[in-house]
Amino acid sequence: SQQGEEDPQALSIQEGENATMNCSYKTSINNLQWYRQNSGRGLVHLILIRSNEREKHSGRLRVTLDTSKKSSSLLITASRAADTASYFCATDMGAQKLVFGQGTRLTINP
Amino acid sequence: DARVTQTPRHKVTEMGQEVTMRCQPILGHNTVFWYRQTMMQGLELLAYFRNRAPLDDSGMPKDRFSAEMPDATLATLKIQPSEPRDSAVYFCASGLVGGPLNIQYFGAGTRLSVL
Repeated sequence: SQQGEEDPQALSIQEGENATMNCSYKTSINNLQWYRQNSGRGLVHLILIRSNEREKHSGRLRVTLDTSKKSSSLLITASRAADTASYFCATDMGAQKLVFGQGTRLTINP
Repeated sequence: DARVTQTPRHKVTEMGQEVTMRCQPILGHNTVFWYRQTMMQGLELLAYFRNRAPLDDSGMPKDRFSAEMPDATLATLKIQPSEPRDSAVYFCASGLVGGPLNIQYFGAGTRLSVL
């Protein structure tokens, strides 16, 4: 079974609205990362949050981490058409590899 | 502008043919990963190398897939013989594992269609 599972699988919102995606995982982690994948492209790293951090910001991105609930959320504020993409969480359990979830497909409607 | 380079970007082949995909990792990265992405299975880790040595290839069908890293600037993934179920996008990623941040940098992928 997947270590990281995103919710929802798909999200469609209007431009300017905020988008929130959630990720749940099963085992303890060193850090949790979020990646974006535009259609037909490779994944691009967005932000990393360590296990001892609770919240992190980068531009219009806000990530939270709740290790007691083994969950994370990614908030994109003031969404733009260019934010249309798939978003993946990835967990680093210290085994050198990352375990990626199935992703959330985000569509921003103009 | 350091990036991971994959070739070819697209490959169409017939069942039974050999397919070789190539990856040039970012200079200085010590770990290379191969992933396969399909709509049904999502992103699957096939194999990864650290300092050119294979660490884990448990995600790879052993009978037809092989991965090598002949030198620090080239990683290859080979399928022989190819089957229609191998149709997918194959990604290579590299990273500096053991550093302060375990971040992976992905190539643009090779889209493989096996007819």
